[in-house]
Amino acid sequence: EDKVVQSPLSLVVHEGDTVTLNCSYEVTNFRSLLWYKQEKKAPTFLFMLTSSGIEKKSGRLSSILDKKELFSILNITATQTGDSAVYLCAVEAGSARQLTFGSGTQLTVLP
Amino acid sequence: GAGVSQSPSNKVTEKGKDVELRCDPISGHTALYWYRQSLGQGLEFLIYFQGNSAPDKSGLPSDRFSAERTGGSVSTLTIQRTQQEDSAVYLCASSRSGMNTYEQYFGPGTRLTVT
Repeated sequence: EDKVVQSPLSLVVHEGDTVTLNCSYEVTNFRSLLWYKQEKKAPTFLFMLTSSGIEKKSGRLSSILDKKELFSILNITATQTGDSAVYLCAVEAGSARQLTFGSGTQLTVLP
Repeated sequence: GAGVSQSPSNKVTEKGKDVELRCDPISGHTALYWYRQSLGQGLEFLIYFQGNSAPDKSGLPSDRFSAERTGGSVSTLTIQRTQQEDSAVYLCASSRSGMNTYEQYFGPGTRLTVT
């Protein structure tokens, strides 16, 4: 059974802090790992990672994948209150290319 | 343990045909959501059911899309007269209550290919 585990489950920080969110996985026939930010109705796509060691960056957010150790991290620097959301990690795997989601990390950024 | 299940896992259909996608939420979860993910794009909200309330259909892209939830449990998403742009992964999620995204549990998805 494919598994995706995110940690921590929740995190409270103050504006300006840097946070690191973790996602580990055990899947058969890995294809890609995706990060989403969910605030409202549907998660917002952040990154898709397929290759190890290549950092993807968008503004204050960055992410990297380690296919040997089977994990990914999402970094957010200089956090703002608008970063408060649930961050979801999902892994696409198998011949059917099914998505397995982690339970998410609830990030709260205090002013 | 029993999670959200969806069927079929893959569906290939010809343009113009109708398709039905099924979602079995986690037992006891009152809220059920449908999303779709098109190639290269993020998740798109389609519809949300909460208990016996009228569903939030604001995300359905056209009147060819409809969804039902029978007995507050199983849900079926129907796409009529399928078009190639309907090709996507259709995801179902459930949660105990409300729109608390933290509690949403996702199914494995149905990959729909319209030829």
